[in-house]
Amino acid sequence: NAGVTQTPKFQVLKTGQSMTLQCAQDMNHEYMSWYRQDPGMGLRLIHYSVGAGITDQGEVPNGYNVSRSTTEDFPLRLLSAAPSQTSVYFCASRRDRRILGANVLTFGAGSRLTVL
Amino acid sequence: DQQVKQNSPSLSVQEGRISILNCDYTNSMFDYFLWYKKYPAEGPTFLISISSIKDKNEDGRFTVFLNKSAKHLSLHIVPSQPGDSAVYFCAASVSGGSNYKLTFGKGTLLTVNP
Repeated sequence: NAGVTQTPKFQVLKTGQSMTLQCAQDMNHEYMSWYRQDPGMGLRLIHYSVGAGITDQGEVPNGYNVSRSTTEDFPLRLLSAAPSQTSVYFCASRRDRRILGANVLTFGAGSRLTVL
Repeated sequence: DQQVKQNSPSLSVQEGRISILNCDYTNSMFDYFLWYKKYPAEGPTFLISISSIKDKNEDGRFTVFLNKSAKHLSLHIVPSQPGDSAVYFCAASVSGGSNYKLTFGKGTLLTVNP
């Protein structure tokens, strides 16, 4: 049981380049989300999904796109990378979208992105 | 507007002593609270949670206290061990909310000295 797997672990981009951060979970979790962690800012929600085909915006969605074609995968796309998107990105999932108390978020190990 | 505040960026304690990490919130709709622990180069891991219908929840060396009137919660670690050295995030949510989101604080770096 791998849990939440993120790839790549590290990535360096130039301004204007595009890329996709991959996230996969093997726990059959309904709910998946992307957070970014910046120094002194904590964890901020970018986008989330409550099931295949359903996505919505979090606190800081600008510059990012997501899709959820399967239960297992929730990729995060940067269409035109900017230095402000330099951050550590975490994918997280939870089994049941309706019962927060019973099912806590399981996080991946993170993807460190640097935009030059 | 920061709805979950961890005002101490760092805390240093001696091994065997008590560690107390504090968290304040401003949104009175929050009714479920969690603490996550994060080691460097790893993702956050769930530590302990508490519902607003309780004022205390205990799990081994970890106890979370909730003071709803003060909108304040705290995490007590007794006794502290060097392996507890990590960043601790407080998080809150509205259980019946339509988006089931967790709002995180900025984190407190705990260092437990041997």
